[in-house]
This record gives sequence, C-alpha cells and structure tokens, in this order.
Amino acid sequence: EAQVTQNPRYLITVTGKKLTVTCSQNMNHEYMSWYRQDPGLGLRQIYYSMNVEVTDKGDVPEGYKVSRKEKRNFPLILESPSPNQTSLYFCASSFEVNSYNEQFFGPGTRLTVL
Amino acid sequence: QKEVEQDPGPLSVPEGAIVSLNCTYSNSAFQYFMWYRQYSRKGPELLMYTYSSGNKEDGRFTAQVDKSSKYISLFIRDSQPSDSATYLCAQMNTGFQKLVFGTGTRLLVSP
Repeated sequence: EAQVTQNPRYLITVTGKKLTVTCSQNMNHEYMSWYRQDPGLGLRQIYYSMNVEVTDKGDVPEGYKVSRKEKRNFPLILESPSPNQTSLYFCASSFEVNSYNEQFFGPGTRLTVL
Repeated sequence: QKEVEQDPGPLSVPEGAIVSLNCTYSNSAFQYFMWYRQYSRKGPELLMYTYSSGNKEDGRFTAQVDKSSKYISLFIRDSQPSDSATYLCAQMNTGFQKLVFGTGTRLLVSP
C-alpha cells in the first residue's frame, strides 16, 4: 500500500531531551516536507527536501533539524525540545516539485513537551 | 494579515443540506488551489484541486475559484454524516515547494 508513515504517533517528553520523529514513504517521491498544526494557526511548513541531500527551511524552522540521506526517509530532529514545540506534526511527500503534484500526508505525530 | 483566511466554524448542518465552505487569500501569485479533508486523528487528504479560476465538480463536491476577488469555495451537495470533518483550503506557491493552508473549518453533519 502506497503510504507515508510516521513514528511515533504519540510522544510525551521533557524539555531538553533530544528526540527524533521518523518519516518514511514508499512511493519513490522526490519531495518531502514537515508541517506542524496548531489551533488557530493551521498547518505551517517547518522544513522541506526536494531530493536526497537537498533540504531547506520552511516558515517555522527554529528549533528543528532534518536530514535526507535516503530518498524514502526524512526524519525530524528536535535537539532540545521546548514546550512551545508541543504540537501535531505531519510529514508529507509528493512525486516531484517542478510542477503541481498531490502531497500525501502521514497520519501525524502528537508531541507534548513538558 | 494571514495569507489564507478561513472561518474555523464549527458549521453544523442536518443531513442532506448543501454546505458552503469558503476561504480568502491575499497572494495573487497563487495558481493552484486545493481542498483537503481531515478526519479526527488523521492526516489531511486531498479532496480536490483547481488551477486558476473556474469551477471543478467531482460527485457531490464542487470547488470554485474566483481569482479576481481572491475567494475560493467548496460546495457539498446532499451532505452526509460521513462528511463530518475539518476542511482545509490550501494554495501552492509558485515554486511548488510548499502548501499555504487556511486554519480549517470544522463541519458537523447530523443524521
């Protein structure tokens, strides 16, 4: 089944404890992206990647890191999480970025930072 | 000013009603306009997309874009309880690198 998977789905952690949220897609998509969703603010892009080893900042990149060493994986790293990073996180992917292509979203990761 | 404005709702309607969901946007460079549906505890899924101005119909759903007034709409005919979800309008930037979302409108269709 073609899909975007994220792990973990739910995570409660404490301030300053490094964590990684994994994202994987099995559709051979070039483009991958991370969004966070907050009440009243909607979905905002954190980082995106147009291909392996090519990443760039979105609208809200502060406090996050990403890497794209393989085409299928795009992990989101919080080196020192803070309570304002409590949010619902979505990974998305699409075939390419040179024209319009549907972005497929993962099921989400609900993160709580105490 | 947000790039995309959307009434958060909730919008409550009885089964069978016609639903109208709307967004306004400020960036005239947007060319692609999408509606995503998001069920509780799920990721957004694409419902429809349109390019530039005009209408597009898919079953009970019709998307409408008016670029002159920067206004986009989604109409749902014969609404069903299974349509209860949050509906997100989105536009794609000209470089295709990101989607700019509205905050979403929560729709509740009661039997």
